Amino acid sequence: EAGVAQSPRYKIIEKRQSVAFWCNPISGHATLYWYQQILGQGPKLLIQFQNNGVVDDSQLPKDRFSAERLKGVDSTLKIQPAKLEDSAVYLCASSLVPTGSYEQYFGPGTRLTVT
Amino acid sequence: SQQGEEDPQALSIQEGENATMNCSYKTSINNLQWYRQNSGRGLVHLILIRSNEREKHSGRLRVTLDTSKKSSSLLITASRAADTASYFCATDNNNDMRFGAGTRLTVKP
Repeated sequence: EAGVAQSPRYKIIEKRQSVAFWCNPISGHATLYWYQQILGQGPKLLIQFQNNGVVDDSQLPKDRFSAERLKGVDSTLKIQPAKLEDSAVYLCASSLVPTGSYEQYFGPGTRLTVT
Repeated sequence: SQQGEEDPQALSIQEGENATMNCSYKTSINNLQWYRQNSGRGLVHLILIRSNEREKHSGRLRVTLDTSKKSSSLLITASRAADTASYFCATDNNNDMRFGAGTRLTVKP
């Protein structure tokens, strides 16, 4: 079974630039998550999709972050414009059904450095 | 904001010893999960314990849950150098998943 795929693996941009991350979840997984993990901290949930609908985006900084999941499969996360404090690893995860009783499968992440 | 808090923040042991990590949380939960993260890699699910369970085992892993104290512990027995990683607890409250800051475990060969 193929795992969660993410690209790019690394990205360096200057502040105020835009950046986009892509995620392809495990086939058949209805739920997709984006997390932000700052160095030395645990992952922080940014947004959760159930198929192509948003379940929870309460911690997404909506003034600069946006995400979409077209056709209920792949997803993109965009930051525009980026700030220095956005430097982090962005993790995508998927699960068969909404979290509660099922584990999440994580991708390798995209390490973003904002200079 | 993060829900769980792991203790200790860092732990260093010799190969063959046991490692115990603790997680405390604040609100009621449906279940609690433990994940491992190797340096520079994604998280891997280790074990899930439901709120009505008190103990679970998986190989060399033993997890306990005390909902009255809002705490959980992860025990890794007979540790190996390959167990070196960060360990996170994640609490689920009605599909709201929150991770702690993690415990950094180093197992010396």
